[in-house]
Parts: sequence; C-alpha cells; structure tokens
Amino acid sequence: ETGVTQSPTHLIKTRGQQVTLRCSSQSGHNTVSWYQQALGQGPQFIFQYYREEENGRGNFPPRFSGLQFPNYSSELNVNALELDDSALYLCASSLGPLVAGGSTDTQYFGPGTRLTVL
Amino acid sequence: AQSVTQLDSHVSVSEGTPVLLRCNYSSSYSPSLFWYVQHPNKGLQLLLKYTSAATLVKGINGFEAEFKKSETSFHLTKPSAHMSDAAEYFCVVSEGTPLVFGKGTRLSVIA
Repeated sequence: ETGVTQSPTHLIKTRGQQVTLRCSSQSGHNTVSWYQQALGQGPQFIFQYYREEENGRGNFPPRFSGLQFPNYSSELNVNALELDDSALYLCASSLGPLVAGGSTDTQYFGPGTRLTVL
Repeated sequence: AQSVTQLDSHVSVSEGTPVLLRCNYSSSYSPSLFWYVQHPNKGLQLLLKYTSAATLVKGINGFEAEFKKSETSFHLTKPSAHMSDAAEYFCVVSEGTPLVFGKGTRLSVIA
C-alpha cells in the first residue's frame, strides 16, 4: 500500500458533462501529479501541483484543471467531457517537485479512477 | 527530450524460469530510471529506482535491473518467475522532468 487513495473508483459520465476526481496524498508529500492512462497504453502526464501551485503541465488542454489543498488532498477537474477522455486517471504523490536537470523523487501512485464517457 | 522503448509488448515464461524484460532509454542528462508494475485493475507499484548510486539496482520481490550507459539499457530481471508476477510492467525515465513511461510489457507466467 502506498498510502495514496483516490475516489471514486469508477465513474460514468456523458459527453459534455464535467467531472471531479479526488486524491489524498501521503502525509508530508507536498507534490501531487496526475496521469491519464488510456486502455493498453502507458500513463501520460497531465500536470503537477507543488504547494498548491501548478508546477508543470503535459500536452493536455485547459479544460483539464486541478487544485491542491493544504491537507494533502487534491482534485482533477475535467470540463466538456469528450469520448476520448475515457481512461484510468492516476494520481501520484512525492516529496519534492520536478526540477529539470535534477534528480526525481519517487512518485507513489494511487489505485486510480476509471472514467467512462458515453 | 527523454524517451523509453520497451522492446517486447508481451513476454511469456514458465513458473520457476528466469524473467527478462527489456528497456532502452534516451536521455540528454543523467536520468532517473524506474520500473513500475501494474496488476489488473490496480494502480502502479514501484519495483525499483536507479539514481546513479549503483549500476545494479535491487528491488522488491526479487527483481533487479542493471543500468548500462553504453547500451542505454535498463533491463529488468528475476531469477525465478512466480505466478503472482503476472502483470504489466512499465519502464520509466525522468530528468527531473515529468515521468515518461514506456508502452508496457505484459508478463504472463505459465504453470
């Protein structure tokens, strides 16, 4: 067990709707990263939050947004859902933020939220 | 930009025989390299991590990986496969940048 939890486990939405996914990080971890894992693929980086500020974003549109709270919880919000948003969404917590050229703190993953968009 | 290539999409071994999952990486700097395992309908579990302290890295559950800079490889091995090792394995590279995952190798273990 990594100590990282996510809710809900599964979610079904229709195209155009909005969704909020939640993550609880390990105590003491100031960094949370979110990933999208499409069926049969490796996870793709969405964005990272460090001390409640966005600290890097992957190739995802602005309708993907996030929040991080002081109590080690965080949210991923997706607006105007599209069919291609159907995927497993993973959050991962780590001690420190990503710093280009530096070493990378180990990221500990939650079990994921399976989102299906109909 | 860094990248990872997992050379086999599927590997099948008999229980008790050695496991070899191959990974090549591309990196401009001194990378951090990871292997994660994902069991069906589960999140990702860290097997091991390389950060330049030693080229042979020992992980959990008897897995280990060797960093070979000249070959830009980071292959994962285990001397003897167990049924519980059946899962998806991901090789990951980072240079202090967002983790870049390979496409994964599905390991099947035959009784």
